[in-house]
Amino acid sequence: QVHLVDSGGGVVQPGKSLSLSCAASGFIFGSYGMHWVRQIPGKGPEWVARISYDGNSKEYAGSVKGRFTISRDNSENMMYLLMDSLTTEDTAVYYCAKGTGASGRYFDHWGQGTLVTVSS
Amino acid sequence: EIALTQSPGTLPLSPGERATLSCRASQSVSGDSLAWYQQKPGQAPRFLIYGASKRAPGIPARFMGNGSGTDFALIIDRVEAEDFAVYFCQQYGGSAMYTFGQGTKVEI
Repeated sequence: QVHLVDSGGGVVQPGKSLSLSCAASGFIFGSYGMHWVRQIPGKGPEWVARISYDGNSKEYAGSVKGRFTISRDNSENMMYLLMDSLTTEDTAVYYCAKGTGASGRYFDHWGQGTLVTVSS
Repeated sequence: EIALTQSPGTLPLSPGERATLSCRASQSVSGDSLAWYQQKPGQAPRFLIYGASKRAPGIPARFMGNGSGTDFALIIDRVEAEDFAVYFCQQYGGSAMYTFGQGTKVEI
């Protein structure tokens, strides 16, 4: 079955960088768009970024555009999120999520989440 | 950007009762772009409903979605103990536009 494992979270100072990883298994990774979604505990999720199945198309939420970079390695079934110039407002649990089918407009499987805390 | 407002914030119920959760959009949403998720404490969201009314694979028939335009609902027929959780609606508004509601907590 589909299995997504997020990793790389931790405590980081404002202005610094952090990289998250998502290991995928149980499906044909290179056939699906993938997303990063974050959530402050007690709040609704917030979509962060999307990468197309082949990595050629990338989209970002306005709140992270220019600071975050999404990428993938289909040969390794891995997705990444490089987060630069972090601020305290980026503190959240970050989930990788698999997009649905061809449209990718929903998130049908999620990783367990990795906590990013931006604090001095 | 389309905003989603969920109500009520908290829905107290007893097992066996019917739950009706509301999701209202700030402007009309395509019916095939509205989804619902369930989230339990310490867990990732779980995909329940897509296209406003279609159940995701493995989701019990007691979960039903309906609605169109700006008003959508998730109905849980005869709530079971395992259904007590937070529920979020989500819409896809086109390129780089995925938004979630703030959630409704179904509690005992």
